[in-house]
Amino acid sequence: DVLMTQTPVSLPVSLGGQVSISCRSSQSLVHSDGNTYLHWYLQKPGQSPQLLIYRVSNRFSGVPDRFSGSGSGTDFTLKISRVEPEDLGVYYCLQSTHLWTFGGGTKLELK
Amino acid sequence: EVQLVESGGGLVQPGRSLKLSCVASGFTFSNYGMNWIRQAPGKGLEWVAYISSGSSYIYYAETVKGRFTISRDNAKNTLYLQMTSLRSEDTALYYCARQGQLMDAWGQGASVTVSS
Repeated sequence: DVLMTQTPVSLPVSLGGQVSISCRSSQSLVHSDGNTYLHWYLQKPGQSPQLLIYRVSNRFSGVPDRFSGSGSGTDFTLKISRVEPEDLGVYYCLQSTHLWTFGGGTKLELK
Repeated sequence: EVQLVESGGGLVQPGRSLKLSCVASGFTFSNYGMNWIRQAPGKGLEWVAYISSGSSYIYYAETVKGRFTISRDNAKNTLYLQMTSLRSEDTALYYCARQGQLMDAWGQGASVTVSS
C-alpha cells in the first residue's frame, strides 16, 4: 500500500500571507501511462472535500490562481498565496496512481 | 447540477449489518465510476471502495475487504455499500464520490455509528 505523508499537520497563517504544504509518497506516483495522479482537496469546516488541484499542477474549474501545485515522483507541494478567509480548513493530498490513498491532512488556521 | 445524496446511516451494534445508498442526479451515472470514502470523527479521509461504471472493476481498502460490498444499479442511478460484521472503528461519516478522470463531486455524507 502507498503511504502518503503530509506536513505540517497544523499551519498557522496570517491573512494575505503565503504557505506551503508538503505531501510525500512511499513510492513513485508516476503511472505506467506517464501521468502522475496526485491531487489536492480542501475540506472547509462542516463541508465535503472539494477538488483544488489535479494531476500535480492543474487547477480545477473555478479555483483561483492563488493555488498552485508542483512536484514529481514522490515529493509534492501545494502553495497558497495571498491567503483569504475562505481558504481556511483542512487540506488533503490524494494519490490515485495505485488505487487511492489520502494524506493525513494539514489544517490551515489563523495565527 | 451534479448531486449525490447518501442515506441509510444510523446507530448499529457491533457485528451487525447496515446498507448505505447514494442517489446520483445531474449527470449520466452509468458513465462514471464511483467511490465510497469515510471520515471517522475528528479524523482524516480514508478511501473505502471503488466500482467502475459497469461494475466490472471493484476494489476495496484492506480495512474493509471481506466485510463490505460495493454495488450499483445504473437503472436507478444508485450506488450502494453493504457493510457487515461492523466494528467500532467503522464509525464514520461515509461519503460517496464520483470518479471520472477525477474524483470531482462528493455527497454530504451518511453518518454510521457502531456502538452497543
